[in-house]
Amino acid sequence: DAKTTQPNSMESNEEEPVHLPCNHSTISGTDYIHWYRQLPSQGPEYVIHGLTSNVNNRMASLAIAEDRKSSTLILHRATLRDAAVYYCIPSSGNTPLVFGKGTRLSVIA
Amino acid sequence: GAGVSQSPSNKVTEKGKDVELRCDPISGHTALYWYRQSLGQGLEFLIYFQGNSAPDKSGLPSDRFSAERTGGSVSTLTIQRTQQEDSAVYLCASSLGASPMFGELFFGEGSRLTVL
Repeated sequence: DAKTTQPNSMESNEEEPVHLPCNHSTISGTDYIHWYRQLPSQGPEYVIHGLTSNVNNRMASLAIAEDRKSSTLILHRATLRDAAVYYCIPSSGNTPLVFGKGTRLSVIA
Repeated sequence: GAGVSQSPSNKVTEKGKDVELRCDPISGHTALYWYRQSLGQGLEFLIYFQGNSAPDKSGLPSDRFSAERTGGSVSTLTIQRTQQEDSAVYLCASSLGASPMFGELFFGEGSRLTVL
């Protein structure tokens, strides 16, 4: 599995954009980059995933570096409900997702 | 709802007792996963079922842990002779398939196990 590095914690003001970085320098060519988040007292929930091109969905955007060694999850307007632990997980899908420690995002009203 | 259902939501047991935790995946999902999360820690993979293939048991921490998946649907995680370090939230997830294209995992709310 590719090793990932994420900040332990980040803080954002409500209504402002948040950029959550992830380094995955040992990613393989077939690994997709998955992002999940875990709200307090809940199971994780899927956020977004991509391979090479940037991806957008209703929850977030995923910007993937050209060399694929890093990616950034972008929340365009943080809300209090976005306070969670965000996990970046490279995976080819042939093995179960390995969740690291993630980034704990705090959102300030 | 049509989400992943886990039971019981809370279980308190005495050290040495056996416990069974149940997971009902989303209908039609061929892949099923068990993870556990100790207090303040990340998720730890336990076991993975995909269709009719042999399960990936590489994450099971000891031979006291076992899991079955009957008829490709419901799964039961069994912990024998529970120890205090088994206390955690046990999370089940299912997905439509193993490919990254179907790789979105849907998690249940978990079963919180407390071993006294």
